[in-house]
Amino acid sequence: QVQLAESGGGVVQPGGSLRLSCVASGFNFSDSGMHWVRQAPGKGLEWMAFIRYDGRDKYYADSVKGRFTISRDNSKNTLFLQMNSLRSEDTAVFYCAKAEELLWFGESFDYWGQGTLVTVSS
Amino acid sequence: DIQLTQSPSFLSASVGDRVTIPCRASQGISSYLAWYQQKPGKAPNLLIYAASTLQNGVPSRFSGSGSGTEFTLTISGLQPEDSATYYCQQVHSYPFTFGPGTKVDIK
Repeated sequence: QVQLAESGGGVVQPGGSLRLSCVASGFNFSDSGMHWVRQAPGKGLEWMAFIRYDGRDKYYADSVKGRFTISRDNSKNTLFLQMNSLRSEDTAVFYCAKAEELLWFGESFDYWGQGTLVTVSS
Repeated sequence: DIQLTQSPSFLSASVGDRVTIPCRASQGISSYLAWYQQKPGKAPNLLIYAASTLQNGVPSRFSGSGSGTEFTLTISGLQPEDSATYYCQQVHSYPFTFGPGTKVDIK
């Protein structure tokens, strides 16, 4: 079955960096676009970034553009999120999600990982 | 950017009730809308995509409708396990955005 497992979260000081990973299994990772979504404590969902199946297209939320970088290693079925210049407002649970392209009307996020908590605090 | 609004942010209903959860987009998005259910401490779970298509494995009491700017998630016959927060999401254009969520409580 499809599984997504995030790791790499932890406590980091403001201005610091962190790299999140998401290991995928149970589907053909190299055929699927992937997303990162975050959720601050007690808040709603916020879409962060997308990467196309081959890594050639990437999109970011304005709130992280220039600070976060999404990438992937299809040989290792792994998605990454490099986070630099972290701020307290980046504190959140970060989820990776698989994109399912639809014949009509875009795509859906059909599988999600369990999330990894990032805490930015001094 | 396309904004999604969900109101109310909280609703309480009884087991067996028919519950409707609205979602409004700031501009027309055709049927580029999905619905997710999230329970505390868990990842979101896809319920509906393309505004009205039920995801495999989701109970048939869940249904979605609407297009353009007005959308609705309906739960026909609320069950105790439906206590959760429900989010709409537009996938019409980047940045993809989620609504603020509607929390459904069981009376």
